[in-house]
Amino acid sequence: QQKVQQSPESLTVSEGAMASLNCTFSDGTSDNFRWYRQHSGKGLEMLVSIFSDGEKEEGRFTAHLNRASLHVSLHIREPQPSDSAVYLCAVSMLPNSAGNKLTFGIGTRVLVRP
Amino acid sequence: EAAVTQSPRNKVTVTGGNVTLSCRQTNSHNYMYWYRQDTGHGLRLIHYSYGAGNLQIGDVPDGYKATRTTQEDFFLLLELASPSQTSLYFCASSDGWGYEQYFGPGTRLTVL
Repeated sequence: QQKVQQSPESLTVSEGAMASLNCTFSDGTSDNFRWYRQHSGKGLEMLVSIFSDGEKEEGRFTAHLNRASLHVSLHIREPQPSDSAVYLCAVSMLPNSAGNKLTFGIGTRVLVRP
Repeated sequence: EAAVTQSPRNKVTVTGGNVTLSCRQTNSHNYMYWYRQDTGHGLRLIHYSYGAGNLQIGDVPDGYKATRTTQEDFFLLLELASPSQTSLYFCASSDGWGYEQYFGPGTRLTVL
């Protein structure tokens, strides 16, 4: 069964400094990797979705995927206090039935200090 | 933008109680999902559906039933609620495999 682990558990950064989050997964046949943001008491907002090795940028958010290392990261450029939230990594595999089942990590709590 | 709504937003019930959580999406997505989110576990898939009348079992289905009555509506049923089902429940929808899942705002359920 797929295992998704995130590190660090929590991260405090200063406004404007780069924030880097890590996610490792156990199944090398996984084919889609997503990062979501969850503000306190709110639903999930997808930030970036990546399918191929390399990087994918969406605004200030960049995901890096290295399948051989079973690793995907998220970098937040020029983080702002409004970026303070829990960041979730989610991994999906080719389904054996309909639907794109996602396996989630438990999240990294990010605090951006002004 | 896809709209997924959930009701109620908060619910308190007692052990053994009967609870129905509702989800509606208005973008004609085929797939709908129910997740629970607990500290230390992340989001876990309970049930999902790829169309009206269809139901697929997720990773943590025990104690839950679900029904997809229309393309828009997906319900999660707890017929004998237990304290272990105290959680934050999310509904999501997507247009198909590999497509973005759009999440509702969540329902916080407390079972006393």
